Amino acid sequence: EAGVAQSPRYKIIEKRQSVAFWCNPISGHATLYWYQQILGQGPKLLIQFQNNGVVDDSQLPKDRFSAERLKGVDSTLKIQPAKLEDSAVYLCASSLSYGYTFGSGTRLTVV
Amino acid sequence: GQQLNQSPQSMFIQEGEDVSMNCTSSSIFNTWLWYKQDPGEGPVLLIALYKAGELTSNGRLTAQFGITRKDSFLNISASIPSDVGIYFCAGLESSASKIIFGSGTRLSIRP
Repeated sequence: EAGVAQSPRYKIIEKRQSVAFWCNPISGHATLYWYQQILGQGPKLLIQFQNNGVVDDSQLPKDRFSAERLKGVDSTLKIQPAKLEDSAVYLCASSLSYGYTFGSGTRLTVV
Repeated sequence: GQQLNQSPQSMFIQEGEDVSMNCTSSSIFNTWLWYKQDPGEGPVLLIALYKAGELTSNGRLTAQFGITRKDSFLNISASIPSDVGIYFCAGLESSASKIIFGSGTRLSIRP
């Protein structure tokens, strides 16, 4: 089966600019997650979707981050405006039950 | 929120040696997971543990779910160069399908 697709792989932006990441989960996976992984740390959950509804967004900095999952398939994560501390790898994952499948991530550098 | 303490943070061993790393939590988890992450990629699931006391192997990898449900360990026998990477433990909260990650163990091997 095809894996979780993410794009772009890399993005460099200046602080205060906006950026968007895209994720296409494995077909049939109802649950989709966005994680932020800062260099040297484990992934931290930002938001969890079940189909097109938000299950958990308690760790999402809602003043600058937003995410949507229209039609319960693809998802986009947006940051506006970006700060230097947003530099990280943004991982998307999808699951049917336990043990997510992760995408390769988008590495964001904010300068 | 819940935190997982993973140790050691890094290991630098000789090829052929056995490796051991562990993860502890102040809270109980119903499921423990072990992932490996290669540079530029998302984490890949190695082993999933669903029951306290469970011991599960996957090739040269063996992991155990602690009796107290607050810890887990991963052993790698006869390490080879392709074992290099970052290993993450992760726990599944009992009340949700959210996975919490440890901070990772970076494994390096001398040929």
